[in-house]
Amino acid sequence: EAGVAQSPRYKIIEKRQSVAFWCNPISGHATLYWYQQILGQGPKLLIQFQNNGVVDDSQLPKDRFSAERLKGVDSTLKIQPAKLEDSAVYLCASSLDSGETQYFGPGTRLLVL
Amino acid sequence: AQSVTQLGSHVSVSEGALVLLRCNYSSSVPPYLFWYVQYPNQGLQLLLKYTSAATLVKGINGFEAEFKKSETSFHLTKPSAHMSDAAEYFCAVSPESGYSTLTFGKGTMLLVSP
Repeated sequence: EAGVAQSPRYKIIEKRQSVAFWCNPISGHATLYWYQQILGQGPKLLIQFQNNGVVDDSQLPKDRFSAERLKGVDSTLKIQPAKLEDSAVYLCASSLDSGETQYFGPGTRLLVL
Repeated sequence: AQSVTQLGSHVSVSEGALVLLRCNYSSSVPPYLFWYVQYPNQGLQLLLKYTSAATLVKGINGFEAEFKKSETSFHLTKPSAHMSDAAEYFCAVSPESGYSTLTFGKGTMLLVSP
């Protein structure tokens, strides 16, 4: 069974630029999560989708971050404009359903200069 | 509200020695507890989880953890460390009502020397 796929693996941009990350969850998984992991800290949930609907986006900085999960499968997380403090690893995870074990992708490492 | 405290950002052991990684939690409701491992440049992998059944939980790669409600702890142990255990370990908590909302600790880097 294929795991959670993410791309790109690495991205370097300058502040005020925009960037987008892509996630393909495990086939059949209804729930998808985006986490931000800043160096030296544990992952922090940004947004949770159930199929193509948002369940929790309380910690998503909505003035610059946006996410969508069209058709309830793949998801895209966008940052526009990026700030220096957005430098982090962005992890995508999926689970069969809400409340089930979460499986994580390898992450996208973002560096904002 | 939930939170997790992992004592020690780095733990060093010799190969063959006991591994003990500490995790204390705070939760206003009965918790579910998890340990994840993260190898360099990889995502998180679930080691084990406590979901209010047996208090001693066995996971993959010889790891186990014991839920102690009186101490609000969920420490991770392994009798004999291998070089391949070197990685970062994260403890996480979620409410018993459903473990979608994971709150992670800051992580403990395990270093294993020959």
